[in-house]
Order: sequence, then structure tokens, then C-alpha cells
Amino acid sequence: QVQLQESGPGLVKPSQTLSLTCTVSGGSISSGDYYWSWIRQPPGKGLEWIGYIYYSGSTYYNPSLKSRVTISVDTSKNQFSLKLSSVTAADTAVYYCARDGAHSSGYHNWYFDLWGRGTLVTVSS
Amino acid sequence: DIQMTQSPSTLSASVGDRVTITCRASQSISSWLAWYQQKPGKAPKLLIYKASSLESGVPSRFSGSGSGTEFTLTISSLQPDDFATYYCQQYNSYATFGPGTKVDIK
Repeated sequence: QVQLQESGPGLVKPSQTLSLTCTVSGGSISSGDYYWSWIRQPPGKGLEWIGYIYYSGSTYYNPSLKSRVTISVDTSKNQFSLKLSSVTAADTAVYYCARDGAHSSGYHNWYFDLWGRGTLVTVSS
Repeated sequence: DIQMTQSPSTLSASVGDRVTITCRASQSISSWLAWYQQKPGKAPKLLIYKASSLESGVPSRFSGSGSGTEFTLTISSLQPDDFATYYCQQYNSYATFGPGTKVDIK
């Protein structure tokens, strides 16, 4: 049974870089069967997709966050990571990692059938 | 950007009620719409994809319909486990979510 687990600092200072890692267990990122995303949810608010990565390293980011986001993958550790630079209080949120299914055609589902439990990151001095 | 709206924002209902939630897109998204259920402190759970396809393991009392710009999620007979917040998500152009509809106890 595949599971996703987010990890990283729960507190980040304004203007610094938020760094999180998602560890995939019970399955291999290198299988190529899925795309791997980061999604966030500010307290009491809705969901915002941040970006995805494929095992090959191919990425795509939300245009509204693109200038500050980097997502990377480490297939040897079965992990993928998020870096969000120049954070402000508006970046305070629960950050989720999630997967969506890939197709041999090169397309993928774009809906998320498995999520991690989420981790709260607070931006504060 | 494709903007998503949902109505109502809050819905009060009783066990056994038929519940309908509406999601509208700012432009046509064909059938590229998913629905999720989220309970407090938990991650969202996929219910419906491609507007009307039921995710494996999801009870058949959940159904989705619509295409273009207007979509509905229907719960045919509300159960105690269904009190939660529901989100729609379009994936015609990357992924954006609606603001959510909270279903609470009447």
C-alpha cells in the first residue's frame, strides 16, 4: 500500500526559503506510473496546487508561484522535494504531497488519488 | 486562470437527506472536473473524476454530473460519515480548486 509522508521544518522566517520533502513508501517513484505534486491549504481556506514533478525530472508549476518554486526528485531515496523562496505570512499553510496517474501517451490524470497527511508550515519571525 | 465557484458555501442537512452541491467554472472545462471530500485535520479524499466517474471504493450514494461550466455533486442519502467539506477541482488548465462547501448537521 503506497503511502506519502511530508517532512520538514514547521516554522520558517519571513524572506527565507521553505523546504519540504515527501517520502514515498510502498511503491517506486521511478516506476513512471505517477506524477508527484505539492498542494497547500492555508488555515481555514481552500486548496492551491503548487506544482508537479515526474520521475524524469520534468516539472510544471502554478504560474502564480512559478518564480519562487522549485520541485526536485531523488529517485534513489524515493523522495521528492519542494523549495519555496522569499516566503511571507501568506505562505503559512498545510502543505500536502499527492500523486496523479500517468498514461503511456504522455498525458496524466491531473486529479489526485493519494495524498499525504500534510504538514503545517508557519511563516513567522 | 480558470476560476471555480461553489454553492452553497455551507449546507445544513440531516441524515437521509438528498444533498446537491454546485460547482461552476469561469470558462468551459469540458468534463475535466474532480470532487473531493475533506474532514477536519485530514487530507482531501478523491470521490469523483471526469465529472461523473466514481473513484474505486467510494460509496455509490455519491454521484457527479455536468459538463462545460456547470457541475453537481449529489449525495443521494446523507450518512453520518458524510458531514465534511467538499471541493471541486478543474483540470482543463493545470489544476485549480473551488472554495469548498461545508456540509454540517441541521
